[in-house]
Amino acid sequence: NAGVMQNPRHLVRRRGQEARLRCSPMKGHSHVYWYRQLPEEGLKFMVYLQKENIIDESGMPKERFSAEFPKEGPSILRIQQVVRGDSAAYFCASSFFFWGLLTSDEQFFGPGTRLTVL
Amino acid sequence: DQQVKQNSPSLSVQEGRISILNCDYTNSMFDYFLWYKKYPAEGPTFLISISSIKDKNEDGRFTVFLNKSAKHLSLHIVPSQPGDSAVYFCAASANAGGTSYGKLTFGQGTILTVHP
Repeated sequence: NAGVMQNPRHLVRRRGQEARLRCSPMKGHSHVYWYRQLPEEGLKFMVYLQKENIIDESGMPKERFSAEFPKEGPSILRIQQVVRGDSAAYFCASSFFFWGLLTSDEQFFGPGTRLTVL
Repeated sequence: DQQVKQNSPSLSVQEGRISILNCDYTNSMFDYFLWYKKYPAEGPTFLISISSIKDKNEDGRFTVFLNKSAKHLSLHIVPSQPGDSAVYFCAASANAGGTSYGKLTFGQGTILTVHP
């Protein structure tokens, strides 16, 4: 029973390039969350998606960042025209949602993608 | 606006003793709290959680206490083991209308070191 998978684990980009981060949730999980951890800080919520729907993107920067979770395939976090300030660890988490049950809050995290912008 | 705060960046404890990690929050809408443990180069691992309708939840060596009036929670690890050395994050979420969006707000983390 594989956990949450993220790839690549490490990604190096030059300023102005695009970064694509992929996340495959745990089997049976239909809810995906993306978090960003800057150096010396805690994780900050970016976006919450269900299959084919963005539910809450209140933590996403207004420009250059986008996320999707298609019907088939992994969730993708896309960063266009990367800048040095985008260097961080990006974590994906998934959960199995039962309507009205608090167990929906348990999120399982992937190992993260460490993005370095040169 | 740091809604979840872990004011101790680090904690050092002797093996076998109790580790107490603290967390404060400001948002009164938070009603579900979690602790995660994180090793370097890995993702956070869920440890234990507590709903706001409880004031204590226990799971083996880990106990979480919630003081709603003080907006404070703590994680107790007894007895502490060297393998517990990691970064510990507390997190909180706010249920909306009986459902949960699952959006977690994290503290900055506390580095726990357990010495043999």
